[in-house]
Amino acid sequence: GQQLNQSPQSMFIQEGEDVSMNCTSSSIFNTWLWYKQEPGEGPVLLIALYKAGELTSNGRLTAQFGITRKDSFLNISASIPSDVGIYFCAGLRNYGQNFVFGPGTRLSVLP
Amino acid sequence: DADVTQTPRNRITKTGKRIMLECSQTKGHDRMYWYRQDPGLGLRLIYYSFDVKDINKGEISDGYSVSRQAQAKFSLSLESAIPNQTALYFCATSDSRGMNTEAFFGQGTRLTVV
Repeated sequence: GQQLNQSPQSMFIQEGEDVSMNCTSSSIFNTWLWYKQEPGEGPVLLIALYKAGELTSNGRLTAQFGITRKDSFLNISASIPSDVGIYFCAGLRNYGQNFVFGPGTRLSVLP
Repeated sequence: DADVTQTPRNRITKTGKRIMLECSQTKGHDRMYWYRQDPGLGLRLIYYSFDVKDINKGEISDGYSVSRQAQAKFSLSLESAIPNQTALYFCATSDSRGMNTEAFFGQGTRLTVV
């Protein structure tokens, strides 16, 4: 079963607002990945994190690898309508193991 | 063109029918995966393959089988489809040979079993 928790499950925000979401686990991961899925499409990789404490940006998106290795955070600044979608986190414990996915955070942006 | 291509994109089939979903990739990755997505449940691993002829069960493999005859192709079969296999199916790839490991997904196959 799933071993990653994401919060919030869903969120409705106004265009222009900043967004924060997180992903937590009871286990340590050595890689954290953040994906976005739009309706009818497959998940698309947004940001990959490989070191505890790492902070990485991709345009208006910023993600952090928690120092405990048990969590990760994704922030979106100045949201726009095309940010709508489901955001998934994924963790990878060790080389040779499989990815573990969170259940997703559904983001809606109101104009 | 997509690096990970799934066919068909949509399929409606009857209960009891055998159906095959195809996945091909041009990324040169050695690892391939099949996931199932249901509303509210995220992505669940069905089968995975770390190389040609290597097949491993995931968390929900019952009722499914796979074939990895070439590095670029990984097919998923439902031997006798049932309605609760109605879902969105994703193929993904990753490369074990680089320093970093990320999964890349196809566009998905929406399967409806009636």
